[in-house]
Amino acid sequence: QQQVKQSPQSLIVQKGGISIINCAYENTAFDYFPWYQQFPGKGPALLIAIRPDVSEKKEGRFTISFNKSAKQFSLHIMDSQPGDSATYFCAASTGGFKTIFGAGTRLFVKA
Amino acid sequence: KAGVTQTPRYLIKTRGQQVTLSCSPISGHRSVSWYQQTPGQGLQFLFEYFSETQRNKGNFPGRFSGRQFSNSRSEMNVSTLELGDSALYLCASSLVAGVYNEQFFGPGTRLTVL
Repeated sequence: QQQVKQSPQSLIVQKGGISIINCAYENTAFDYFPWYQQFPGKGPALLIAIRPDVSEKKEGRFTISFNKSAKQFSLHIMDSQPGDSATYFCAASTGGFKTIFGAGTRLFVKA
Repeated sequence: KAGVTQTPRYLIKTRGQQVTLSCSPISGHRSVSWYQQTPGQGLQFLFEYFSETQRNKGNFPGRFSGRQFSNSRSEMNVSTLELGDSALYLCASSLVAGVYNEQFFGPGTRLTVL
């Protein structure tokens, strides 16, 4: 019940295309859903986060869509760029404690 | 402002040995969390410290332990190392524990157990 399932495992997108990464959770106590971006040799960095009281949050080219009834949330990267090539992790926590991460999605954006 | 620093960056140990990893949080941050990252298991939460007290713990054996000092610096110890402990160990700091605070991650310590 503590798991966060993330798909796909890897993703190849053309430059300018839309990258979509999906996550699903079981624990309805989760109330904070951040997304992290990790480049090789670096630690993850917070990209964008959402609380379940909103269905969508947008920051620049990055959008989180949240479906509370389906217990699913997704990250959309619009106009994907080669510099977006990285590993993306969804995560969930209750009150920000004991964050549970998805398995990660390796994104490659072709120039 | 300096980021989270972790030392050492790379470490090679043999089975049965013990290891201590260090994390210095961002100045003013009082919460430190540790994670283990492996290709097969992804990022797994180890434990979280706030004001020198362990506030949360993940599902790891007792061989994994940690502590936090009065200056918020934290150490993580793994005793009786096993091959499966080979991983990237990440430390993250935040202003306070939980409360939806953004966690800032360090670059990690790459531990290889031979």
